[in-house]
Amino acid sequence: DAGITQSPRHKVTETGTPVTLRCHQTENHRYMYWYRQDPGHGLRLIHYSYGVKDTDKGEVSDGYSVSRSKTEDFLLTLESATSSQTSVYFCAISEPPLGEAFFGQGTRLTVV
Amino acid sequence: AQSVTQLGSHVSVSEGALVLLRCNYSSSVPPYLFWYVQYPNQGLQLLLKYTSAATLVKGINGFEAEFKKSETSFHLTKPSAHMSDAAEYFCAVSQNTGFQKLVFGTGTRLLVSP
Repeated sequence: DAGITQSPRHKVTETGTPVTLRCHQTENHRYMYWYRQDPGHGLRLIHYSYGVKDTDKGEVSDGYSVSRSKTEDFLLTLESATSSQTSVYFCAISEPPLGEAFFGQGTRLTVV
Repeated sequence: AQSVTQLGSHVSVSEGALVLLRCNYSSSVPPYLFWYVQYPNQGLQLLLKYTSAATLVKGINGFEAEFKKSETSFHLTKPSAHMSDAAEYFCAVSQNTGFQKLVFGTGTRLLVSP
């Protein structure tokens, strides 16, 4: 299995609070991604990174920010959590040339 | 822009029956195509991938998929379903040039009955 660790695995937080999810990899892959998974929507890309300090928005980036200060770590921050951000969040990594992604175990976030 | 359509949010088969999960893609450039499987409360695991070599791709657990450019399809099949195949399956597409961002379909849940 690819060395990808997500933390925490489960979190319950209150509306309006900031939340940070962490993804750590030991594979030295260049690309890292944050997806959210919701019933009926599959996986939707929130943000991605193509190198240290190089990040870009995905299709559902509103309300989220990311940072990548080291190759191995990619942080996802919910600036002010809302109930619509209750979801399962997956981190993934990939490396050219084939672009196949390897996924972490996911973080289940509940915003109450 | 690339996109993937998976027909059928749920597919039910009997154990031993053929499994067919449908995936159609849209891509303005030659694509790479993937099938992933997700078991309950787990992350996604790569089943197989098409990267412009052979059009018939074999993956893990007896699954295979055929790339058909004329039909823009990449359907997943398995000759004989096992109970352990019950899971959610996702088709995904990326481009084979530039930044390879994966775009996923909405998933198909496979139910296998005895």
